[in-house]
Amino acid sequence: SSELTQDPAVSVALGQTVRITCQGDSLRSYYASWYQQKPGQAPVLVIYGKNNRPSGIPDRFSGSSSGNTASLTITGAQAEDEADYYCNSRDSSGNHLGVFGGGTKLTVL
Amino acid sequence: EVQLVESGGGLVKPGGSLRLSCAASGFTFSSYSMNWVRQAPGKGLEWVSSISSSSSYIYYADSVKGRFTISRDNAKNSLYLQMNSLRAEDTAVYYCARDSMELRGYYYYYYMDVWGKGTTVTVSS
Repeated sequence: SSELTQDPAVSVALGQTVRITCQGDSLRSYYASWYQQKPGQAPVLVIYGKNNRPSGIPDRFSGSSSGNTASLTITGAQAEDEADYYCNSRDSSGNHLGVFGGGTKLTVL
Repeated sequence: EVQLVESGGGLVKPGGSLRLSCAASGFTFSSYSMNWVRQAPGKGLEWVSSISSSSSYIYYADSVKGRFTISRDNAKNSLYLQMNSLRAEDTAVYYCARDSMELRGYYYYYYMDVWGKGTTVTVSS
């Protein structure tokens, strides 16, 4: 099976830019999707594909990918962006299994 | 409004069984693959299982293979997860999530764009 690795915690000053990364072999074959989860709430899709935002997601959220690493960037972080962020992709083994990263807790200072 | 609503969670003893349901509304359920994703207390998200739109393709995480069965009834706009031989480590909030796919150039984009609020399963004696 495939694994996706994320830093457990990241912090950013209010209004500054932060990048959250996700590494894994499957990312050489598939684009990651990114999910924001606030305490007690269901995950919300924020970025998918090369750099696509669902309707309603602020344009301060963006995505990028290079090799085996996908990144979620928040440009001008707001207090409401404090949350857990998870990356997800298909397993690279060809078995169509899903896989999530371990999650990154973002703290906005 | 596009919506997924899970139900069927509860307290069950180790070795017991439970059947989760997910009711879909606001979109053409039969056109989408669906997923179950779970989250143990204080832990991250774990993909559990997926089923294609016509039930032709079904996949399971190794942690649940042989114990859980995913199914769907497109006539009832419903997704199910039959959980047998439950263990303490199956304790989690279980979410159903819609699986979407787009073809952009040479690449497929896969993502889960609609999520339910989850139903809680507790396995304890």
